[in-house]
This record gives sequence, C-alpha cells and structure tokens, in this order.
Amino acid sequence: DTGVSQDPRHKITKRGQNVTFRCDPISEHNRLYWYRQTLGQGPEFLTYFQNEAQLEKSRLLSDRFSAERPKGSFSTLEIQRTEQGDSAMYLCASSHPSRSQETQYFGPGTRLLVL
Amino acid sequence: RKEVEQDPGPFNVPEGATVAFNCTYSNSASQSFFWYRQDCRKEPKLLMSVYSSGNEDGRFTAQLNRASQYISLLIRDSKLSDSATYLCVVNEETSYDKVIFGPGTSLSVIP
Repeated sequence: DTGVSQDPRHKITKRGQNVTFRCDPISEHNRLYWYRQTLGQGPEFLTYFQNEAQLEKSRLLSDRFSAERPKGSFSTLEIQRTEQGDSAMYLCASSHPSRSQETQYFGPGTRLLVL
Repeated sequence: RKEVEQDPGPFNVPEGATVAFNCTYSNSASQSFFWYRQDCRKEPKLLMSVYSSGNEDGRFTAQLNRASQYISLLIRDSKLSDSATYLCVVNEETSYDKVIFGPGTSLSVIP
C-alpha cells in the first residue's frame, strides 16, 4: 500500500496524559499536513511541513500540541496534558507541489478519545 | 462569516434522483477548488476538481462561479453508494496550500 498511513488508528487516554501520533506520507510527497476533525465538521488545519520545516501553524495548535518531521519523511503529532476537548479525529495528508492543481491525499486518521 | 459554507443538509433522496449541493467561499483570491467525499468514519477522498469552465465526471458535474464565489456539485441518477458527506474545499494557495474545508453536506440515498 503506497498511500498515507497513520498509527495508531484509535487511541483512548485519560485526561492529563500525553499521546503521540505518527503519519507516514506518500514517499515522493514533500508536503505534509495535520488536520483535526470533530463530528459534523470538516477537517480543520493544524500545521504544515515542507520537507522537515514546519512552515505554518494554526491558532488551533495550542502550546500543548507539537509536531515534528525530523527527516522530512514521517511526522509525529504530540498532545501533552490531554483534555476532553482534544477528542477528535486527527488526519494527516500529503501532497506533491509540482503537479498542477495538486490535491492532498489523506491517511485513515487517528481517532482520539480523552476520558 | 465562515470561510467556506455549505448547505446544512442532510439530504435524503430516493435512488435515481438528481441532487445539487451548494458552496460559497469568502476569499475572492482563492485559486483552486475541489469536492471531496467522506464516508462515515473514513478519511476524505478527492471526488473532483472544479474548473471555471465547469467539468463533468460521469454522473457528477461541478460548476464554479468566481464572480459570485459559488461552487456547486450536481449528482444525477443517485445510487445508494453515493451516500456520504460531501466536502467543499477551497485552496487559497498562499505560501503553502492553505486548504479550507467546508463543514460538509450529508447525503443519504434511499432505496
């Protein structure tokens, strides 16, 4: 399978715990995005990487959230001191900038439930 | 005003019906436009890009009106398998691909 993969697919944690999610983009894609989606809403942009550089961060990304893409390949999203409001689907997407009207390809998401 | 707005739905239509979804966007500088489809508890997947001249892919037709900042999706001869949430997506193509998703419109095609 050469699509975007995410791990884990589901995570249940207690409030106050830290969680880390991983995203492996399509191999030739140098752009990587993280989104958050809650029920009844479209995905909301969190952050964007071009290669290893984190170039944009949404105001939604509080200081409890951190994302990395150390080698320009896979990325991790960490949430520290989780809160119940962090419960959502976290989606990763990747794209290739050289194609016209390029689209983002999404991974299956990590569904987080904070108890 | 939200950056991308869609019909609130849900739409419940019988098989074979024609259904149209509307979407408006607030940033007149937006460059490219898409419709994505999202099945329940799955990730969004690209359905089709939307061009100024309008474009058609089988039973699906997308239209863009830049002057009105309006996008539409028409589905003809609805199938049960068309049941999903349809997301209107606007790409502002800033320093990165600032992609804004609408809240989605839910479609249920009923036998």
